Amino acid sequence: DAKTTQPPSMDCAEGRAANLPCNHSTISGNEYVYWYRQIHSQGPQYIIHGLKNNETNEMASLIITEDRKSSTLILPHATLRDTAVYYCIVRVEGSARQLTFGSGTQLTVLP
Amino acid sequence: GAVVSQHPSRVICKSGTSVKIECRSLDFQATTMFWYRQFPKQSLMLMATSNEGSKATYEQGVEKDKFLINHASLTLSTLTVTSAHPEDSSFYICSAGTGKTEAFFGQGTRLTVV
Repeated sequence: DAKTTQPPSMDCAEGRAANLPCNHSTISGNEYVYWYRQIHSQGPQYIIHGLKNNETNEMASLIITEDRKSSTLILPHATLRDTAVYYCIVRVEGSARQLTFGSGTQLTVLP
Repeated sequence: GAVVSQHPSRVICKSGTSVKIECRSLDFQATTMFWYRQFPKQSLMLMATSNEGSKATYEQGVEKDKFLINHASLTLSTLTVTSAHPEDSSFYICSAGTGKTEAFFGQGTRLTVV
């Protein structure tokens, strides 16, 4: 699986959009970009994933650059409950393979 | 999304005893489940891959005789930490594949060995 690089921490004001970047310059053509988050002392939670097109669901939007070497997870209106570690993972599609977690980005939403 | 239930959520045991952690897929069948371990302020590290009806595959450095994994059915995998020691204290997390594109995780088990 391709390696990813994320900033170790970010702050965001409550109610504002949180934009979390991820670099994955060695991504292969069949690898997807997955985002998970882990709230303190809980198991990771799936957020969203995509291949090359931008994706949106009820939780977030995923913007992938045209060359696919980087992406941004957008939480449109961050709340205090969005404070968590966010992991960007690049891998081939399918849940029958393990996930390799990097160090992620600690997002702190400030009141 | 699919539900993965992990039990217990936290356990304290004495050094030298064994502890069993259960991971259940509640609304789907999981042929493959994964066990991760997470130490404080660190990321999740894969310990082993559990396949229904066959032996688990352990990552390098994980002792298979100490961390016993059983995946007897399509909805249940168990991790038994045998002869636990304080250095085994950690957050243990399971995940299961739904056969779709994303995996779902249990709530995690906080193990404290005293």
